[in-house]
Amino acid sequence: SYELTQPPSVSVSPGQAARITCSGDALPRKYAYWYQQKSGQAPVLVIYEDDRRPSGIPERFSGSSSGTLATLTISGAQVEDEADYYCSSADSSGNDRVFGGGTKLTVL
Amino acid sequence: QLQLQESGPGLVKPSETLSLTCTVSGGSISSSSYFWGWVRQPPGKGLEWIGTIDFDGRTYYKPSLRSRVTISVYTSEKQFSLRLTSVTAADTAVYYCARNVVPTYGEAGAFDIWGKGTLVTVYS
Repeated sequence: SYELTQPPSVSVSPGQAARITCSGDALPRKYAYWYQQKSGQAPVLVIYEDDRRPSGIPERFSGSSSGTLATLTISGAQVEDEADYYCSSADSSGNDRVFGGGTKLTVL
Repeated sequence: QLQLQESGPGLVKPSETLSLTCTVSGGSISSSSYFWGWVRQPPGKGLEWIGTIDFDGRTYYKPSLRSRVTISVYTSEKQFSLRLTSVTAADTAVYYCARNVVPTYGEAGAFDIWGKGTLVTVYS
């Protein structure tokens, strides 16, 4: 079955850029989506279609995709950005949706 | 503004059927622009896509769950549902319903609006 691979954890100091990667064989042909999940809460969409930001999401959140790697960048990460982040995409057939294993972002 | 709310039993016995309903309020469930889906999260673990239904009633299920899952839409009630048969302890999770905005067929699409989630525990 198709898999998306994320690093388990990323740690940055406040104000630094945080980059979270997502690797998948179908990413050259499929959009990537990114979700933020804070403890005890439902996920929130922060990036869709590789690099588009929903209304209400701060400009410091950006996305990019090149080849088999999608990247979520938080420019100037803040303590409030501490959360688990998940990427999502479809497999080559387009019938199955998959989430990555999640990355815990620590900002301290 | 559109809101989703999951409802259903919080406890299910092994080998029985898990049934959940998601009620849509503040907007339409029958728009051709949107699909509707279910995602679950076992305690302390990551998100797992269960399945999605489109506006024509076509369903897409996670392969490993396909034999046990049914997702249906009830347009007049503004609800969609999840049935998962023959449950085991491995099905214990928080279950989320979500709106799925799919740009073109073959893409995962964005789950842009989520319910708060409901914990379902499989116990004997």
